[in-house]
This record gives sequence, structure tokens and C-alpha cells, in this order.
Amino acid sequence: DGGITQSPKYLFRKEGQNVTLSCEQNLNHDAMYWYRQDPGQGLRLIYYSQIVNDFQKGDIAEGYSVSREKKESFPLTVTSAQKNPTAFYLCASSTDRGANYGYTFGSGTRLTVV
Amino acid sequence: AQSVTQLDSHVSVSEGTPVLLRCNYSSSYSPSLFWYVQHPNKGLQLLLKYTSAATLVKGINGFEAEFKKSETSFHLTKPSAHMSDAAEYFCVVSDSFGGYNKLIFGAGTRLAVHP
Repeated sequence: DGGITQSPKYLFRKEGQNVTLSCEQNLNHDAMYWYRQDPGQGLRLIYYSQIVNDFQKGDIAEGYSVSREKKESFPLTVTSAQKNPTAFYLCASSTDRGANYGYTFGSGTRLTVV
Repeated sequence: AQSVTQLDSHVSVSEGTPVLLRCNYSSSYSPSLFWYVQHPNKGLQLLLKYTSAATLVKGINGFEAEFKKSETSFHLTKPSAHMSDAAEYFCVVSDSFGGYNKLIFGAGTRLAVHP
């Protein structure tokens, strides 16, 4: 079955550590996105990528980095510069460069700083 | 820029009664509009979408929404709530930037369904 796989489902990070969240899709979608979800705030866009080897900052990119070396993969690194990383992270993809048809979402990674 | 406002942060209904989740949008042109549902600790699932075709849009699980341009609204309804409908619902509008579109999410409405 086609879809988006995010791993791990739960992730714990110590203060000062970098961690990488995985996002893989087999839908042959060009565009991929990372969102952060906090209670009562909806979803906020961190980074997005429309094509391989290209990505753009979203609304809250500070403290995060991404790469897009393959069409299928869009990993997100939460760096030590992100001061409040505890959140639920969602990866999404879409069929075209537009959003007229909606996004397909992964099941999310819950990151907790310990 | 486009924006979307979900008028209720929490809605509580009894099983078998109608559901109404309210959403208003602002847009300088005819937008694409969506409703997504999220169950606890899960990703988001597309319920339905409006893309300038019929103004009454039917989605999955018996949900539907009506696009009303004069009221700039896109409210989500269901005639009879089921316990499994308890979840968080997001109203979403598409926006364009730099030649590309992106989705703008509302803050969400948490639906509780009581026996």
C-alpha cells in the first residue's frame, strides 16, 4: 500500500542533542512538508520541498534543518538551537506543486526533551 | 494572505444527534477548502475538499460541508454523531506564495461524543 511512513513514533532527546526524524513516501509525490503541532495551535509549517535537492523555510524554521536528496525521503533534524522542541511532528506530501487536492499525512513522531 | 478561523475550540454532542463544526475563511480569490480529522496521536486524514465545483461537498463517514461565498463559511456537518467521530477537526484553506500553493490550518475543534 502506498503511503507515508514516519519513524520513530516516539523519540526522547536530551538537552543539547540533535535528533533526526525520518519521513519516507512511496506515493511518487513531488512535494513534501514538515509541520509541528502544539496543543491548541493547529499545525505550523517548518520546511517544505517541491522537488529533489530543493527546500524552503516555512513559518518556524529556526532550530531545524532538512535535506531532500531523494524524492522519497525528507528527513528533519531538530538541532540543539531549537529551544522548545517538545511537540508532535507531522510529515506530509502532495501530488503537485499546488495544494488543490490536499496533502497525505504520516502518522507523526512525538518528540520529548528529557 | 488567506486565513481560516474555527469558531469553536470544543464541541460536545450526544451520540445520534447532529454535528456542526463552524469555519470561516478569508480569501482574496476563490480558495480551495478542506476538512481534516485527527484521532489521538495519529496523522491527519482528509474528510472532504472543495475546489470550486459543487458548493455542497460530501465526504467520508457521512460528513458534508457547504461552501457559502457570501458568508465566507465552510461549516462541517453530520446528521447523526457516532462515538467514533470523537476527534480533532481542522478546517484548512489553500494559499499561494512564490508561485506555489500551501495549506493554512485552523486551530482545530475538538469534538466529544457522549453516549
